[in-house]
Amino acid sequence: DAKTTQPPSMDCAEGRAANLPCNHSTISGNEYVYWYRQIHSQGPQYIIHGLKNNETNEMASLIITEDRKSSTLILPHATLRDTAVYYCIVRGPYYGGATNKLIFGTGTLLAVQP
Amino acid sequence: DTAVSQTPKYLVTQMGNDKSIKCEQNLGHDTMYWYKQDSKKFLKIMFSYNNKELIINETVPNRFSPKSPDKAHLNLHINSLELGDSAVYFCASSQDVGGHEQYFGPGTRLTVT
Repeated sequence: DAKTTQPPSMDCAEGRAANLPCNHSTISGNEYVYWYRQIHSQGPQYIIHGLKNNETNEMASLIITEDRKSSTLILPHATLRDTAVYYCIVRGPYYGGATNKLIFGTGTLLAVQP
Repeated sequence: DTAVSQTPKYLVTQMGNDKSIKCEQNLGHDTMYWYKQDSKKFLKIMFSYNNKELIINETVPNRFSPKSPDKAHLNLHINSLELGDSAVYFCASSQDVGGHEQYFGPGTRLTVT
């Protein structure tokens, strides 16, 4: 079962920042927060991940609260092509066996409006 | 160049048939995965291989048999297809078992009639 809670859907105006929240109140100290997205009829795409510090890359920023119980993915200037289902996933380091698997929940459907 | 490719993209077949889906990655990654996305869009891991060795088998029916001839390829063979096998199957790869980024293929839509 997914360890995260996300709103089922959100809207965002094109050109504005999209802020996607995620709750992961049971996260352990060594577990990472990952964000992936799935554009319609395509395979999931990695966006960003973080452990404690905020992270930024060319696609997005990840803000993790100090207690690590929640995070926000920020798409700074959303475009129509950012319309997708966004998945927030918690996963620990690899210790063998199935510990490297990603568990996808239901995600948030972000609809970017023109 | 496509990083993770799958063939075929669409597969329509009848119940009881045996079919295979092929996956290749040209990223030089050690670890590959198969995921299944059902009609309700739930995406769930099925198998994971690292350097041709199975490391994850998520209680998938033994009608499903993954085969990794080399670390760039992970094929999925399905015997005695059932209606419930209809889904989109995604292949993915990561640099190693602890790799933070998994790269997914475009998916294979399997329809069993």
